[in-house]
Amino acid sequence: SQTIHQWPATLVQPVGSPLSLECTVEGTSNPNLYWYRQAAGRGLQLLFYSVGIGQISSEVPQNLSASRPQDRQFILSSKKLLLSDSGFYLCAWSVGSGSYEQYFGPGTRLTVT
Amino acid sequence: DAKTTQPPSMDCAEGRAANLPCNHSTISGNEYVYWYRQIHSQGPQYIIHGLKNNETNEMASLIITEDRKSSTLILPHATLRDTAVYYCIVGNDYKLSFGAGTTVTVRA
Repeated sequence: SQTIHQWPATLVQPVGSPLSLECTVEGTSNPNLYWYRQAAGRGLQLLFYSVGIGQISSEVPQNLSASRPQDRQFILSSKKLLLSDSGFYLCAWSVGSGSYEQYFGPGTRLTVT
Repeated sequence: DAKTTQPPSMDCAEGRAANLPCNHSTISGNEYVYWYRQIHSQGPQYIIHGLKNNETNEMASLIITEDRKSSTLILPHATLRDTAVYYCIVGNDYKLSFGAGTTVTVRA
C-alpha cells in the first residue's frame, strides 16, 4: 500500500531563517506530487505541483521554492521566512494524468516568530 | 474564482443521513465533481468523485443532477467521526481548488 511521510510535524522558526520541509511517498512510482498551504482559518492553497523529476510548476509567486530530486521525494524550501509563511503545509500525491484523487500527508505546522 | 457554492455549516444527528449540497452551475462538460473532507488538524481525505452518473462507495454516495449544475454528497449513517469540513471541487486538471467548504457537525 502507498504511504506518504512528512517531517517535521511541527516547526517554529524565526523570521529570516531558512526552511526545508521534506515529503516522501512509498509504494508507488512516478507519482504527481503537490505542496499546499493552509493559513489559520482559511482554505488550502496550492503552492507547487510536479509531474516528474525536475518538473516543478509554481502556482503562487512567493519566497518559497520546491524541488524534486528523486521520483518520490518533494522538498519545499525558503531562503528567508516571513511571518506570513506561517501555516499548515501539506504534501499530497496522485497517479495518472489529471487525477483529482489526491492523497495527503499528515502535514507540517509551521510557526514563524 | 470559486467554481462551487456550499453552505458554510450544517448540523446532523448521529445515525441519520447527512445530505451535503453543492452548486456548480458553470461546470464544463469534461469536469468532474470531487468531494474531500478535512478533519481538524489533519490533511484532506478523498471521499468520492463523479462525472455524470451517481456514484457510491464505502464512505458515501454522490448524486449529480441531470444538468450537472448541482450535486449532493450523502453520508448514509453519520457518526461523530464524520465531523469535518467537506469540500466540493470541480475540475479536470491536476490542480484542486479548495473553497471554504461546509463545516459539518455531527451531534449525539
